[in-house]
Amino acid sequence: KAGVTQTPRYLIKTRGQQVTLSCSPISGHRSVSWYQQTPGQGLQFLFEYFSETQRNKGNFPGRFSGRQFSNSRSEMNVSTLELGDSALYLCASSLGGSRAGRGQYFGAGTRLSVL
Amino acid sequence: GENVEQHPSTLSVQEGDSAVIKCTYSDSASNYFPWYKQELGKRPQLIIDIRSNVGEKKDQRIAVTLNKTAKHFSLHITETQPEDSAVYFCAARGGGSNYKLTFGKGTLLTVNP
Repeated sequence: KAGVTQTPRYLIKTRGQQVTLSCSPISGHRSVSWYQQTPGQGLQFLFEYFSETQRNKGNFPGRFSGRQFSNSRSEMNVSTLELGDSALYLCASSLGGSRAGRGQYFGAGTRLSVL
Repeated sequence: GENVEQHPSTLSVQEGDSAVIKCTYSDSASNYFPWYKQELGKRPQLIIDIRSNVGEKKDQRIAVTLNKTAKHFSLHITETQPEDSAVYFCAARGGGSNYKLTFGKGTLLTVNP
């Protein structure tokens, strides 16, 4: 089985721009969660999608948004980028339903640098 | 919301020794507790997990214990090897329809040969 795939692996943007990151979950997994990883804050939860619906959201500003498609692939969008948005963005997939969050497998991440 | 605290932030042991990492959580409804290992430049990997109806779980040299009353859980690694060197994260999943994982800030484990 292919693992969780994230594209692109690296991105360089400037302040004020917007960016879209993509995540393809493990086949059969219907829940996708997104995390921001920084050296100071560790892994912080952004949001979780299941069956194209956002079920849980972390404490991030509205500039961070996401969506999930019918094939469970998910995208995350950050608008009006700020320097502090530089981080590794990880997505993780799990079977979903009441088992969401259990047995979560991570992608390799997208390293975003905002200049 | 859920708060997970992890200690210590760094841990250095000699090869062959045991290592213990401890986490506490705040939400008594949390029901699932995974541990992840992240090597430098790599993705976090799930190494062991435990559900709230179980007190202990082992997988070869790794074990996790859970004390629901005290709201803490621990990772035990025996006979450590240099390849165990990594950052370890604990996490807790909320109860009910709260499916988000809240992570501790991580423990950098160094195993010295």
